[in-house]
Amino acid sequence: NAGVTQTPKFQVLKTGQSMTLQCAQDMNHEYMSWYRQDPGMGLRLIHYSVGAGITDQGEVPNGYNVSRSTTEDFPLRLLSAAPSQTSVYFCASSNEGARTGELFFGEGSRLTVL
Amino acid sequence: SQQGEEDPQALSIQEGENATMNCSYKTSINNLQWYRQNSGRGLVHLILIRSNEREKHSGRLRVTLDTSKKSSSLLITASRAADTASYFCATVPSGSARQLTFGSGTQLTVLP
Repeated sequence: NAGVTQTPKFQVLKTGQSMTLQCAQDMNHEYMSWYRQDPGMGLRLIHYSVGAGITDQGEVPNGYNVSRSTTEDFPLRLLSAAPSQTSVYFCASSNEGARTGELFFGEGSRLTVL
Repeated sequence: SQQGEEDPQALSIQEGENATMNCSYKTSINNLQWYRQNSGRGLVHLILIRSNEREKHSGRLRVTLDTSKKSSSLLITASRAADTASYFCATVPSGSARQLTFGSGTQLTVLP
């Protein structure tokens, strides 16, 4: 049972480069989300989706784009990477959203922007 | 802005002792959840307590919720070295159906 799978686990970018962090879940969860984790800051919500074709912004959406073409996949795109986007990124999914259930997290993608 | 704030930021205890971590939050909530994160890993859900509940147990975990004080505590009894991890509280504000807001966490070290 794979759960939530994130790729890549590690990535180094130069300022201005673009890339996509992949997230896939095999639990048929409607809700998916992306968080970033910085030292001493906890996790901050970037974007989330309540179902295929529906996305919305979280607390820190600037510099990131998302799409949700299928229930399983929720990629996070950085169009022009900046050093401030150096962080650990976590994808999470839930069956019913945080109102009633738990979030299942991936193992994280560690991004360094030089 | 962060909804929940954990206290203390770091806690070091001996194996067998109890560990208590506190969480304070700012606005009315629908529920409060506790998560655990081992170093370099993703977060794992521990327990969820709803706003109309006051106490909940799961194995060696005991969670309390005081909505009048906007605070929660997580007690781990008879701690083990394997309990060493960061612990985060997370809240769902009332009126927000989907967004879970995390605190900055408590780093627990259990010494063998």
